[in-house]
Amino acid sequence: QSALTQPPSASGSPGQSVTISCTGTSSDIGGSDFVSWYQHHPGKAPKLMIYEITRRPSGVPDRFSGSKSGNTASLTVSGLQAEDEADYYCSSDAGSNNLVFGGGTKLTVL
Amino acid sequence: QLQLQESGPGLVKPSETLSLTCTVSGGSMSTTSYYWGWIRQPPGKGLEWIGNIYYSGSTYYNPSLKSRVTMSVDTSKNQFSLKLSSVTAADTAVYYCARRGVTTSKLDYWGQGSLVTVSS
Repeated sequence: QSALTQPPSASGSPGQSVTISCTGTSSDIGGSDFVSWYQHHPGKAPKLMIYEITRRPSGVPDRFSGSKSGNTASLTVSGLQAEDEADYYCSSDAGSNNLVFGGGTKLTVL
Repeated sequence: QLQLQESGPGLVKPSETLSLTCTVSGGSMSTTSYYWGWIRQPPGKGLEWIGNIYYSGSTYYNPSLKSRVTMSVDTSKNQFSLKLSSVTAADTAVYYCARRGVTTSKLDYWGQGSLVTVSS
């Protein structure tokens, strides 16, 4: 299984929206309803932001939203805030209980 | 509130076996709804799923690591463990334990991570 493909970096100014893509194959993202997104501040535990493509855990602001089209999933952060600056990782079921992650995207709030 | 905490040696010699334990508090591991898993992050790199274990002891490993990975669970202590054999410098990473939903596959609770360095 190969890692999912994410852009290494993304950026936006406070208040703007930014979208991070995550591209896989029909064996993972394209064939799965179980795509998740994690926010990771260095030195801390990753935090679940989106699961099952579009669902938000309790406590995650509705500024964060997820979607999927074909083999590509996306995370959109609207109304960017300084505290959104972090690394973001996607993950997907890849069959037979396998789980695959993306390489991560560093989001910078300008 | 569920909490997970990794513990184990921070330094392992090449060719030896890395051993880590994750202690779960604030809830029981003996649930049909969740797996208990390990994920790692090498310095400057992304996350990699290592595998997960069910409370019954059923295991699922990343195919790329399967030959070197062993996971076990001790529900009486609310702990699960990871062993990675024949380590090399490439196994240097922060190792996280996490809870994974059986039907959702979401990793909703994570430990703080434990840095393991492979060096002589």
